[in-house]
Amino acid sequence: DAGVIQSPRHEVTEMGQEVTLRCKPISGHNSLFWYRQTMMRGLELLIYFNNNVPIDDSGMPEDRFSAKMPNASFSTLKIQPSEPRDSAVYFCASIIWGTGFNEQFFGPGTRLTVL
Amino acid sequence: GQQLNQSPQSMFIQEGEDVSMNCTSSSIFNTWLWYKQEPGEGPVLLIALYKAGELTSNGRLTAQFGITRKDSFLNISASIPSDVGIYFCAGPPPGGFKTIFGAGTRLFVKA
Repeated sequence: DAGVIQSPRHEVTEMGQEVTLRCKPISGHNSLFWYRQTMMRGLELLIYFNNNVPIDDSGMPEDRFSAKMPNASFSTLKIQPSEPRDSAVYFCASIIWGTGFNEQFFGPGTRLTVL
Repeated sequence: GQQLNQSPQSMFIQEGEDVSMNCTSSSIFNTWLWYKQEPGEGPVLLIALYKAGELTSNGRLTAQFGITRKDSFLNISASIPSDVGIYFCAGPPPGGFKTIFGAGTRLFVKA
């Protein structure tokens, strides 16, 4: 089975541009998480969804960040407008919530560079 | 908020050496997770611990859930170059849904 799929793997953009990161969770998983990883701050949870509904977006840094999950097999994280400090690796992870086992399966990440 | 403190931050070792790293928290956890992240990839779960005192092995890896439920350690025996990566401890705090990750221990193995 395919794991979590993220696209693009690398994104280089200029400050002020809109960036959209995409994630396809593992089929059958009902919860999806977006993380950001930087050297300074480590792995930070931005937002997570349960059954396509956003549950906690307290980690989203600013209004410039938004995330959607229109269906069980697709989610997007959008940054508009992007800034150099948004440069990081963004991970998507999915899980079957409710089994009592908390293994999150991570995608390979999108490395974002904002110039 | 709750934090997980990992030590050491980084380790530089020779192939064949044993490795020990740990993770502490100021509050109790009911589940401890250890992940490994290789360069250019996302974290992958290595070991999950569910009971205080539990000792679990996965090949050359051994992890223990501390009796106080506020700490955990991970040992790697006879390290090899492919052990290189970042090792994260993680866990959902009691009553919480979000998994909290430590800052990671960066392991470098010299052949």
